[in-house]
Amino acid sequence: NAGVTQTPKFQVLKTGQSMTLQCAQDMNHNSMYWYRQDPGMGLRLIYYSASEGTTDKGEVPNGYNVSRLNKREFSLRLESAAPSQTSVYFCASSPLATNEKLFFGSGTQLSVL
Amino acid sequence: AQSVTQPDIHITVSEGASLELRCNYSYGATPYLFWYVQSPGQGLQLLLKYFSGDTLVQGIKGFEAEFKRSQSSFNLRKPSVHWSDAAEYFCAARTSGSRLTFGEGTQLTVNP
Repeated sequence: NAGVTQTPKFQVLKTGQSMTLQCAQDMNHNSMYWYRQDPGMGLRLIYYSASEGTTDKGEVPNGYNVSRLNKREFSLRLESAAPSQTSVYFCASSPLATNEKLFFGSGTQLSVL
Repeated sequence: AQSVTQPDIHITVSEGASLELRCNYSYGATPYLFWYVQSPGQGLQLLLKYFSGDTLVQGIKGFEAEFKRSQSSFNLRKPSVHWSDAAEYFCAARTSGSRLTFGEGTQLTVNP
């Protein structure tokens, strides 16, 4: 009964370091998403993958890259972290791209110093 | 531009009191509308949704929301709040051709 699993839960980086946030879902969903959550700004879509083999930019893609490794896994990479990327990151999935019921992971708290 | 606005950043109510959280949207056409709840340290969970039809929709955990086209609003209500309802609430919207857009969120505190 795992749902959407994100790792790590917490991470501290220095400016310029790189890292990859991992996300996996076990619900056989087609679509997966990466959001960032900042105080007073709600959730903003970084990238999404409507189906295996496709990825598209969301609202705030700059400084990020994604990989839809297979149907289960969707990773988010920060090549050169910046303090502006300090945020809480959420992965989500849904059965279809048009399906509004998103299932969320529990988030990754990232601090960039 | 399409947007969702939640005018109240933080609301405090007493346990047992009624609750209304406001949400306004700005879209060219009536979008699909949603309310999500985020408990501390958790991801978001869908409370309810409105696509069309009856303008009063029922959700989980005793919540309901009313769509008012004339006011471009989709306010969330609960008749009697429980301490476990303390959380952050997000209104969201999308059209058939767009991705989900979230409001800024409203933090709910429940006093005993």
